[in-house]
Amino acid sequence: GQNIDQPTEMTATEGAIVQINCTYQTSGFNGLFWYQQHAGEAPTFLSYNVLDGLEEKGRFSSFLSRSKGYSYLLLKELQMKDSASYLCAVKDSNYQLIWGAGTKLIIKP
Amino acid sequence: DAMVIQNPRYQVTQFGKPVTLSCSQTLNHNVMYWYQQKSSQAPKLLFHYYDKDFNNEADTPDNFQSRRPNTSFCFLDIRSPGLGDAAMYLCATSGAGTEYHTGELFFGEGSRLTVL
Repeated sequence: GQNIDQPTEMTATEGAIVQINCTYQTSGFNGLFWYQQHAGEAPTFLSYNVLDGLEEKGRFSSFLSRSKGYSYLLLKELQMKDSASYLCAVKDSNYQLIWGAGTKLIIKP
Repeated sequence: DAMVIQNPRYQVTQFGKPVTLSCSQTLNHNVMYWYQQKSSQAPKLLFHYYDKDFNNEADTPDNFQSRRPNTSFCFLDIRSPGLGDAAMYLCATSGAGTEYHTGELFFGEGSRLTVL
């Protein structure tokens, strides 16, 4: 079966750096995505990785290793507004999007 | 400016009373999706349309139906809601080109369904 694993919850301090990991086992691979979802709201697109390496976008970076079935989302200079769930999703060989359950990130002052 | 609009944002219904949720988009995207999301769970794909081609996920219950009368609108009908159908229902769109393959979805704000 297809599976996406990410930690259920993480806590970090305002101003710090946090890394949210995601491992996946899917039938084929056509890209990995990170979405941010604030409580009670819809997910918003953060990043897309299809090749190995690091993609940087402001305070957020996303890394992919296809050989390891592994990605992480790195958030720098954390702000209170970064408190949200972060969902990892993978497009499989049929271009179906397989979603993880999300990592709830709690930011403390 | 909202690009994917869902109505209503909050819907309360009684057990077994039919519900229709609507979604409209101004992006002119070919692909529209309906997801069900329960608290702390991954979004679960119910259906998607690629233009008029309807794709039903194998495990979507028959209780859920969908209509797409034109490019801009899509509806989710829940014929006889049960307590287990209480959830957030998310509509999303993507383009038929690069976005379809890159997976960038544009979500509406969701419709939260409560079943009494």
